[in-house]
Amino acid sequence: KNEVEQSPQNLTAQEGEFITINCSYSVGISALHWLQQHPGGGIVSLFMLSSGKKKHGRLIATINIQEKHSSLHITASHPRDSAVYICAVKNYGGSQGNLIFGKGTKLSVKP
Amino acid sequence: NAGVTQTPKFQVLKTGQSMTLQCAQDMNHEYMSWYRQDPGMGLRLIHYSVGAGITDQGEVPNGYNVSRSTTEDFPLRLLSAAPSQTSVYFCASSQGLAGTYNEQFFGPGTRLTVL
Repeated sequence: KNEVEQSPQNLTAQEGEFITINCSYSVGISALHWLQQHPGGGIVSLFMLSSGKKKHGRLIATINIQEKHSSLHITASHPRDSAVYICAVKNYGGSQGNLIFGKGTKLSVKP
Repeated sequence: NAGVTQTPKFQVLKTGQSMTLQCAQDMNHEYMSWYRQDPGMGLRLIHYSVGAGITDQGEVPNGYNVSRSTTEDFPLRLLSAAPSQTSVYFCASSQGLAGTYNEQFFGPGTRLTVL
């Protein structure tokens, strides 16, 4: 069983829709990251959180440590949001160098 | 700041050839790492370094070597390329150990094909 599971794997939305991407994990963590991988391949960090909620523009990330679950929300989605969104966790028991990555959620926003 | 740079962007090798993927960062980050990304799988850590002269293995180190002689550079060497090493390789850096308090900055990636 993968230690980090994302759902859905693929998501198609119409421009303007509210989008939710989910991430569940099975290990104890000290932090969770949301990353965005553009169609050209580049990866950028969106959020790093260990509790509660963070907001940046139209993006909101939440985490529930007790339920081992995080969500990434995109409000008023736009075609430029089309990308792969990756969840990654820093686990307590892992080697000091390791983040555990989910397989990603591919989002396509249609105009 | 250029951030994290990688060269080359694309490379085709024949089985058995060796090559070095270059990675450099200009943010004075102590921590650098190499990942590979394969279809249907999450990013996997190959090797990482917590500072000049210090490297360690990640999840999938076999067939790869690294060294860290300066803070800025962290090259990845493929000793004898195999088709199983066909992948997209990302270099990343962070101020401290990735994950708990430190955001990782990724390079643009190198797409490697081994025939």
